[in-house]
Amino acid sequence: GNSVTQMEGPVTLSEEAFLTINCTYTATGYPSLFWYVQYPGEGLQLLLKATKADDKGSNKGFEATYRKETTSFHLEKGSVQVSDSAVYFCALRVDSGNTPLVFGKGTRLSVIA
Amino acid sequence: GAVVSQHPSRVICKSGTSVKIECRSLDFQATTMFWYRQFPKQSLMLMATSNEGSKATYEQGVEKDKFLINHASLTLSTLTVTSAHPEDSSFYICSASGGGGETQYFGPGTRLLVL
Repeated sequence: GNSVTQMEGPVTLSEEAFLTINCTYTATGYPSLFWYVQYPGEGLQLLLKATKADDKGSNKGFEATYRKETTSFHLEKGSVQVSDSAVYFCALRVDSGNTPLVFGKGTRLSVIA
Repeated sequence: GAVVSQHPSRVICKSGTSVKIECRSLDFQATTMFWYRQFPKQSLMLMATSNEGSKATYEQGVEKDKFLINHASLTLSTLTVTSAHPEDSSFYICSASGGGGETQYFGPGTRLLVL
């Protein structure tokens, strides 16, 4: 079946530190890969996505590269800010927009000043 | 971006009562809506997929008679938790997609507490 595994949290970093949140997946077929972010008290928001191998998704200083050979989609940011504190979910979807997403467990990030 | 709303955001009810949660797409037509459940420190677990005008498709292990889903229009889906019990206490989240597009838009979630 399809599944997503991401690193356990919580992750606590100082402002301007480098962030990596690991995500690996198992899928039948060729999935699209996503990172969603959930800020406190809000719904999930799409952060970035990649739809095929070697694609790099990027947004708000975050980036992730679709690595088919290692079945990974690690999230990185060079310099985190306090406002980046949130829960980050890695997800995949096989097929079209009308098929459901499969999520990882989420990683809580806290950035301290 | 597109907005999906949920109502109520938080509800507390007595055991045995039924609770209805609404999910609305505010500025697009949602041909498909998904209902997820999220336990503390856990991932989102898909409960069911609903397409406008047809019966919902439930995931294995989800009781369709307990979690009634109605998707009567292109902008509204409802989830009714019937005869709720404390073990139904959870965070329920809907998402919507429209017209074959790639992106799913998520609502802010509804926290249900059954006493």
